[in-house]
Amino acid sequence: KAGVTQTPRYLIKTRGQQVTLSCSPISGHRSVSWYQQTPGQGLQFLFEYFSETQRNKGNFPGRFSGRQFSNSRSEMNVSTLELGDSALYLCASSLSSGVQETQYFGPGTRLLVL
Amino acid sequence: AQTVTQSQPEMSVQEAETVTLSCTYDTSESDYYLFWYKQPPSRQMILVIRQEAYKQQNATENRFSVNFQKAAKSFSLKISDSQLGDAAMYFCDYSGGGADGLTFGKGTHLIIQP
Repeated sequence: KAGVTQTPRYLIKTRGQQVTLSCSPISGHRSVSWYQQTPGQGLQFLFEYFSETQRNKGNFPGRFSGRQFSNSRSEMNVSTLELGDSALYLCASSLSSGVQETQYFGPGTRLLVL
Repeated sequence: AQTVTQSQPEMSVQEAETVTLSCTYDTSESDYYLFWYKQPPSRQMILVIRQEAYKQQNATENRFSVNFQKAAKSFSLKISDSQLGDAAMYFCDYSGGGADGLTFGKGTHLIIQP
């Protein structure tokens, strides 16, 4: 089975722009979670989508949003980019939603905001 | 909110030796799951091992094993016969009943000396 894929792998944007990142889960997985990784804050949970519905949300401003499509692919959007949004954005998929589920991660999208 | 603490920012071990990475967590829940992930320089997050809190038996996966002490809220990872490919950041993670996705520790950078 193919693993989790994320596109694009690298992205450079300027402050004030918006960006959309894409994540394709492992075939058959219906839950997709997003995480932000920075040197200062470490790994932080952004949100989880399951069956096209946002199930959980971390402590991030409303500029961070996401959605999930009927084929379980997910996108996250960051509007009005700030320098502090520079990070590695990781997507993880699992079969279902729930604390018992093991999450499998994609290679990440590295976003640089100038 | 749950917290995960990895007290060793960096560990170094000789190839073929055994190393133990420490992790403690704080939770009031009785049902939860713990994970160790490794993140090599490629930044791909890879599952190493998983432990269900309701299981008393410690999980093992080949050269990787855990010492799970539920009462002490401790979850250490032992790597036997260390190999150069084990060099990576290792993250201890908690998954519980809260709506916060995975809660990650700050990570331990493992260096393997040839």
